[in-house]
This record gives sequence, structure tokens and C-alpha cells, in this order.
Amino acid sequence: AQSVTQLGSHVSVSEGALVLLRCNYSSSVPPYLFWYVQYPNQGLQLLLKYTSAATLVKGINGFEAEFKKSETSFHLTKPSAHMSDAAEYFCAVSHPGGSNYKLTFGKGTLLTVNP
Amino acid sequence: DTGVSQNPRHKITKRGQNVTFRCDPISEHNRLYWYRQTLGQGPEFLTYFQNEAQLEKSRLLSDRFSAERPKGSFSTLEIQRTEQGDSAMYLCASSPTENQPQHFGDGTRLSIL
Repeated sequence: AQSVTQLGSHVSVSEGALVLLRCNYSSSVPPYLFWYVQYPNQGLQLLLKYTSAATLVKGINGFEAEFKKSETSFHLTKPSAHMSDAAEYFCAVSHPGGSNYKLTFGKGTLLTVNP
Repeated sequence: DTGVSQNPRHKITKRGQNVTFRCDPISEHNRLYWYRQTLGQGPEFLTYFQNEAQLEKSRLLSDRFSAERPKGSFSTLEIQRTEQGDSAMYLCASSPTENQPQHFGDGTRLSIL
């Protein structure tokens, strides 16, 4: 079975500050990991993915995440927050080689950016 | 690439009524997924199609729920005898192959009166 835990349901930062959103996973096999962003009343947009290549993954809009197997973590960071980053962020895991690659999501972290 | 399209965007209905949602995946994406997202939660997997074959259904998908994907193109999700607990956002996603990221539509928000 696979699961995702996102620490902190709500994170608040000032514009220009570092963004750090935490994600820990549980998986019986080496996982694929994803970060998605969701704006109000919209679907999910892929930010970045880890699929067993480089452990530091760069995504869109200046975000990046580092896969740390020893810590079973895949935290999302951005050096400098922008007002447009305010949204809900979801970490997700899937099993490569499984029957369907379905995604298992965390509960999400709401990011607010203060001017 | 026009993206995954879902219709309607919002559906309000009375308890006990039947509702049907439609998902048009990205052209040539042969994998299609349905998820349900309730307030304050992440999306939860409901079912998966590879072309027209429905290959997996979650235990969340009670016998009141049915999904189809005729001819391996668009998909429909029907809920019969809706209940209050069915109120949620229903998300559709598609991918071209099994190890490519899923692309999501904007969802259908269902409200049960």
C-alpha cells in the first residue's frame, strides 16, 4: 500500500520569502512522486515529477523538489514566493510497474502569500 | 493539445436523482482516470480505463456508480439515487502511457440539495 503525508495543512509566507512544503511518503516499492497545484475551482496542474532519475527535480514556475529515500521525503521548495503562488498544493505517489499507475494524494497544503 | 474537458462544470440536484458527467480526454491518451475530491481533502481514485476497458474500480465506487468509456474516447460517470455524501468535485485525468503524468480537467462540482 502507498500513502502520502503532507505536514501542515496551511503554510503562510511573505512575498519574496522561501517556500517549503513538506511531503513524506510510504511505499513498498520505489515510487514515482508528483507535486500538483490547484487553484480555486480548477483541476490540478502538474508542477514536477520524480521518476527515478535525478533526485533533484526542477519544475515549472521556479519550484523544485528533492527525493530523499532515507527520509522518505519529497519536499517542495521555491526560493522566492510570488503572490501568484497562492494556491493548494498536493503531493502524490504512484507505483511504476503497477497495474494502473493510479495516484494516491496527500490532503494538501494551502499556501497563502502575504504582501 | 486542448486539455481534458469535463462537463458540466457544476451540477446541482436533489437527493435521489440520477446524474451523469462527461469527460473528454486529451486526444490519443488511452488511459483515463476518475477521482473524487471532497472539501479539504486530496483527490481519491475511483476508477481507471485503458482504452475502452475498465481495469480497476475503487471500493469507493459503490453499486450506485457506473462509468463507461465507449470506443475508448470520452467517458461518462453516472451516479444513481444520489445521496448527500456524493457532494464532491469529480475529476477526470488522462495520460498517453502508463508512466506519463496524468493531465487533469477542471472537474465537475456536484451539490446535492
